[in-house]
Amino acid sequence: DTEVTQTPKHLVMGMTNKKSLKCEQHMGHRAMYWYKQKAKKPPELMFVYSYEKLSINESVPSRFSPECPNSSLLNLHLHALQPEDSALYLCASSRFDGYVNTEAFFGQGTRLTVV
Amino acid sequence: AQTVTQSQPEMSVQEAETVTLSCTYDTSESDYYLFWYKQPPSRQMILVIRQEAYKQQNATENRFSVNFQKAAKSFSLKISDSQLGDAAMYFCAYRGNAGGTSYGKLTFGQGTILTVHP
Repeated sequence: DTEVTQTPKHLVMGMTNKKSLKCEQHMGHRAMYWYKQKAKKPPELMFVYSYEKLSINESVPSRFSPECPNSSLLNLHLHALQPEDSALYLCASSRFDGYVNTEAFFGQGTRLTVV
Repeated sequence: AQTVTQSQPEMSVQEAETVTLSCTYDTSESDYYLFWYKQPPSRQMILVIRQEAYKQQNATENRFSVNFQKAAKSFSLKISDSQLGDAAMYFCAYRGNAGGTSYGKLTFGQGTILTVHP
């Protein structure tokens, strides 16, 4: 099983709403990532979790709040977003034993529209 | 900081023909990995091929092969016998030393849109 599952696939939210994106993998991977991707652009790294601890925050605004409740699950909590935050949000995971890191496997993404 | 450059925003190929996508990168690290990812309209990023910098032999996966020139910092992807299902955006990506603080962070190029004509 090399699957990373993201829900929901599509999300429309108002600027005052609170919503969450969910990402799940059962490959035993201990590194998980959130990327943001605008149309016809490469993904941009937002956060990295390794062993359920936040390892990298690429200066992401606080209206995006990541959470890693366990080794299989990664959430991205959204609050007071702006229209420019509309994008495809990709989750990825990779095996990581503290040194060796395999290639990343990506989910299908959540298409987020902020109105 | 590492950079990845894909100089071809769009490429096209006839079905069954061969096409080469270009990628160059810049890094001061000696230990790193390079990847080609494919992103079809379905949105999922799919790993096509990977290359470890310490390996001189070019990676091959079925119809996909790379030409890795470490000294020139070049990493091109060749697709042989192109199929309609190969149509997608292709991203070249760099990942630095697996340990330390990189945590597997990927640096992507700008992407190349590949169109396959029947």
